[in-house]
Amino acid sequence: QVQLVESGGGVVQPGRSLRLSCAASGFTFSDFGIHWVRLAPGKGLEWVAIISYDGSYKYYADSVKGRFTISRDNSKNTLYLQMDSLRGEDTAVYYCAKDMAARTGFSDYWGQGTLVTVSS
Amino acid sequence: DIVMTQSPDSLAVSLGERATINCKSSQSLLHSPNDKNYLAWYQQMPGQPPKLLFYWASTRESGVPDRFSGSGSGTDFTLTISSLQAEDVAVYYCQQYYSSLYTFGQGTKLEIK
Repeated sequence: QVQLVESGGGVVQPGRSLRLSCAASGFTFSDFGIHWVRLAPGKGLEWVAIISYDGSYKYYADSVKGRFTISRDNSKNTLYLQMDSLRGEDTAVYYCAKDMAARTGFSDYWGQGTLVTVSS
Repeated sequence: DIVMTQSPDSLAVSLGERATINCKSSQSLLHSPNDKNYLAWYQQMPGQPPKLLFYWASTRESGVPDRFSGSGSGTDFTLTISSLQAEDVAVYYCQQYYSSLYTFGQGTKLEIK
């Protein structure tokens, strides 16, 4: 069965960096685009970034562009999110989510999420 | 960016009654070449990740009960629960995927009256 397991969350000071990982199993990882989506406390879902099945295509929300970098290692079935220059408003549960196909834009499977808290 | 606006923000419905959630996009999500609306609906229960309910506005994901339906075209979409069950308490989100800068609505919290 499809599984997505996020890790790497924690408490970090403003301005510092953090790298999230998402380990995938149960499907052919290299065939699908993958998204990062976040849920801040008391807020709604916010799409963060997408990477295409082969890593050649990446898009970011304006709120994270230039600070976050999405990448993947298809040999390890793992997705990453490098988060630099973190701000308080980046505090959220971060989910990785499998695209329905190579790059449709919506997600049929989601991980349980990892909590990132940006605080001094 | 395409802005997605849901209404209402919260909704309380009696068990067995109909619940209706609306979603409006700032531009049309209808792609004329394939006549598809690039809109999805998700359900998020407390402490859980989102669950896909519908895509292409009205295509039900496998395993979703048929009391749920998705409809609409262009800029106006609706998620309907025909007979509310206790397990339907959740926050519901619409999401557009017409633009590569994907965006969600702000969410609608559905509760039991």
